[in-house]
Amino acid sequence: DAKTTQPPSMDCAEGRAANLPCNHSTISGNEYVYWYRQIHSQGPQYIIHGLKNNETNEMASLIITEDRKSSTLILPHATLRDTAVYYCIVSPPMKTSYDKVIFGPGTSLSVIP
Amino acid sequence: DAGITQSPRHKVTETGTPVTLRCHQTENHRYMYWYRQDPGHGLRLIHYSYGVKDTDKGEVSDGYSVSRSKTEDFLLTLESATSSQTSVYFCAISEWDRAHTEAFFGQGTRLTVV
Repeated sequence: DAKTTQPPSMDCAEGRAANLPCNHSTISGNEYVYWYRQIHSQGPQYIIHGLKNNETNEMASLIITEDRKSSTLILPHATLRDTAVYYCIVSPPMKTSYDKVIFGPGTSLSVIP
Repeated sequence: DAGITQSPRHKVTETGTPVTLRCHQTENHRYMYWYRQDPGHGLRLIHYSYGVKDTDKGEVSDGYSVSRSKTEDFLLTLESATSSQTSVYFCAISEWDRAHTEAFFGQGTRLTVV
């Protein structure tokens, strides 16, 4: 079973920030939070990951609570191309742990014009 | 985009026939993976490889075998296809010499067993 809980679906207006929550209350000390997304019919795409500090890259920002039991992925200016299923995954460092990676059902984000 | 090619992209086959799906990479990544994706189940790991001739089972390996004779190719074989193996199959690759490397996924193979 996935070790994360995400809302099954969300809507966001185009141009606004999309804030996707993820609960991972049983996360252990050596586990990271990873986010991937899957645009319809394509393979999943890596977005960002973090341990305990907030992270930002060209695609998104990741905010992790101090107790690390939840996190939020932020797409600062959502576009129609951001419509996808977003997966939140907790895992030991993915260098050698992909056999332990569990992709749950994710959140289906719809960006509305 | 990472150089991953899955073939075929679509296949329809009959129950009981053998089927081989191919994943080819041009990135020289050490790790390769096969997943299947079904409605209501998300992505599930079938088999993975951590080097040439080094493979291991994933969550849903029954009915599947794999082979990796070259770094660039990872083959998934259904020895005798069943209708329950109708699915979309994704190959993924990852590097091994960085601490937190993301996986790159192929475009998928849609397999229908009739």
